[in-house]
Amino acid sequence: NAGVTQTPKFRVLKTGQSMTLLCAQDMNHEYMYWYRQDPGMGLRLIHYSVGEGTTAKGEVPDGYNVSRLKKKQNFLLGLESAAPSQTSVYFCAISAGDRYNEQFFGPGTRLTVL
Amino acid sequence: GENVEQHPSTLSVQEGDSAVIKCTYSDSASNYFPWYKQELGKRPQLIIDIRSNVGEKKDQRIAVTLNKTAKHFSLHITETQPEDSAVYFCAASGSYQLTFGKGTKLSVIP
Repeated sequence: NAGVTQTPKFRVLKTGQSMTLLCAQDMNHEYMYWYRQDPGMGLRLIHYSVGEGTTAKGEVPDGYNVSRLKKKQNFLLGLESAAPSQTSVYFCAISAGDRYNEQFFGPGTRLTVL
Repeated sequence: GENVEQHPSTLSVQEGDSAVIKCTYSDSASNYFPWYKQELGKRPQLIIDIRSNVGEKKDQRIAVTLNKTAKHFSLHITETQPEDSAVYFCAASGSYQLTFGKGTKLSVIP
């Protein structure tokens, strides 16, 4: 039982390149989230999904797209044209979606955009 | 939307002393208040949480208090140990989103 996994662990991109981060879970939780973490800024919500085929914007959605297809265990975060301002650590989180929103985090992806 | 303020941003204590971290929130509809601990290079991990129908919760050396009227909640760590050194985040939720504070870096000096 791995819980929440993220792929890749590290990545270096050049400005303008694209990439997709994958979050996978084996807990069958409905809700999935993508956060970015920057020094002194805490965790900021990029996008989230409350179920298969649904996505919504969070606090800092610009420059990112997400998809949660039929396989509800996966939640993808896409950067179409990476910018240095997107250098960050990205965390995926999951939640059962009950009344109290206890969230469990993946191990993170460290992304550097040159 | 919700806004969570966390203080202090850094905190140094001697081993064995107590540490207190405070958070305030803005949305009176928030009903769930978790605390996460993040060690260097690791993921945030839930250490304790409190729900709006409870005023205090304890788990060994860790306790959390909630004052709904004043809209603030606090984390108390007693008998601190070097392994308590980490960044601690508070958060508040009224629905399916968590809003996080900016974090407190706790250093426990042996």
